Amino acid sequence: EAEVAQSPRYKITEKSQAVAFWCDPISGHATLYWYRQILGQGPELLVQFQDESVVDDSQLPKDRFSAERLKGVDSTLKIQPAELGDSAMYLCASSTGFGNTEAFFGQGTRLTVV
Amino acid sequence: GNSVTQMEGPVTLSEEAFLTINCTYTATGYPSLFWYVQYPGEGLQLLLKATKADDKGSNKGFEATYRKETTSFHLEKGSVQVSDSAVYFCALRDFSGNTPLVFGKGTRLSVIA
Repeated sequence: EAEVAQSPRYKITEKSQAVAFWCDPISGHATLYWYRQILGQGPELLVQFQDESVVDDSQLPKDRFSAERLKGVDSTLKIQPAELGDSAMYLCASSTGFGNTEAFFGQGTRLTVV
Repeated sequence: GNSVTQMEGPVTLSEEAFLTINCTYTATGYPSLFWYVQYPGEGLQLLLKATKADDKGSNKGFEATYRKETTSFHLEKGSVQVSDSAVYFCALRDFSGNTPLVFGKGTRLSVIA
């Protein structure tokens, strides 16, 4: 069964360091999302891609976060510099893009900033 | 904008008890509605969905009916098991456009033997 792949599963980094997460969506899914999930809360959208284009990055803290999907397939989310408040689960999801279809999620990257 | 409100958790039930987790939504137009489940340390898995009014989504003994008149999508299961212990998220997505899922805050369910 096709899955969304994410790496790493866990990441511990020091405050002010740079960190990057990678996501490979299900083959053929044009839409890719990055969500942030703080412990005990629901996922919140950071950025949405349609192919290689950003559709929505209104909630992405652009002073320190960046995201790219250069060839419209896999994607990287970067934080530089990391802050203590960035500790969270970072979830990648993909979908076909039609409104009546679900998004498929990867297992996530648990980030701890110390 | 679109939003989802779920009942506060945690919910603790004995095995074989009846489960209801309430979910109401606010949306423009006619959204698709979803329930996702998250096990500890894992990503989200789709549990069930409904794409139009009066549709009933079902999976693994869980059910939810899309009620347009009450803007609700309550999750139910007749007899819970210990293995159902997880966090459950209600979510919606605009039907008409390529928009992201909007999630509720989640409800933690613990089932004790």
